[in-house]
Amino acid sequence: TQLLEQSPQFLSIQEGENLTVYCNSSSVFSSLQWYRQEPGEGPVLLVTVVTGGEVKKLKRLTFQFGDARKDSSLHITAAQPGDTGLYLCAGGSGGSNYKLTFGKGTLLTVNP
Amino acid sequence: NAGVTQTPKFQVLKTGQSMTLQCAQDMNHEYMSWYRQDPGMGLRLIHYSVGAGITDQGEVPNGYNVSRSTTEDFPLRLLSAAPSQTSVYFCASQTGIEQYFGPGTRLTVT
Repeated sequence: TQLLEQSPQFLSIQEGENLTVYCNSSSVFSSLQWYRQEPGEGPVLLVTVVTGGEVKKLKRLTFQFGDARKDSSLHITAAQPGDTGLYLCAGGSGGSNYKLTFGKGTLLTVNP
Repeated sequence: NAGVTQTPKFQVLKTGQSMTLQCAQDMNHEYMSWYRQDPGMGLRLIHYSVGAGITDQGEVPNGYNVSRSTTEDFPLRLLSAAPSQTSVYFCASQTGIEQYFGPGTRLTVT
């Protein structure tokens, strides 16, 4: 069974601070996705990384896939209250990436 | 495009009752799946389908049935609800390696 461990589980910061969220596994994944989920809604895909060492930027968010494709990180620069939400990582395996394994999430609160 | 739609939004059942959670997508995606989300447990895969007429079990399939008669629809059936099935249920459809989730159904079994 593949497991994804996310840390920290909870994070509360002030507006303007930087933060990093981690997603780690002992298993190799063919792809790694990050989602953000707001209360009462479904997760929304932020990014997909597929190549070891890959770095993707989405405005103030930077995503990195580890060289060995076992871990990933999400870095947010100058966090804003609108960044508040549950951040989930999900790993895909096999050729189709159909069956995703989700981490338990990091609940981020950005205080104004 | 409406994307992925789910009904109902909220549901309360008594132990032993049955019901069907509806899921539909208008993006012509072949792959669809059902997850449940519980506090501290993340999203767990219940059942999935790689196309009409093809379904398979995920991580936590017990107590749930699915069928896929059309590309658009993927209903989830609870035959005899139990309190352990109290959860938020999400349906998703997928193209390539990108999943799109519905808004969820919050189910309470008393």
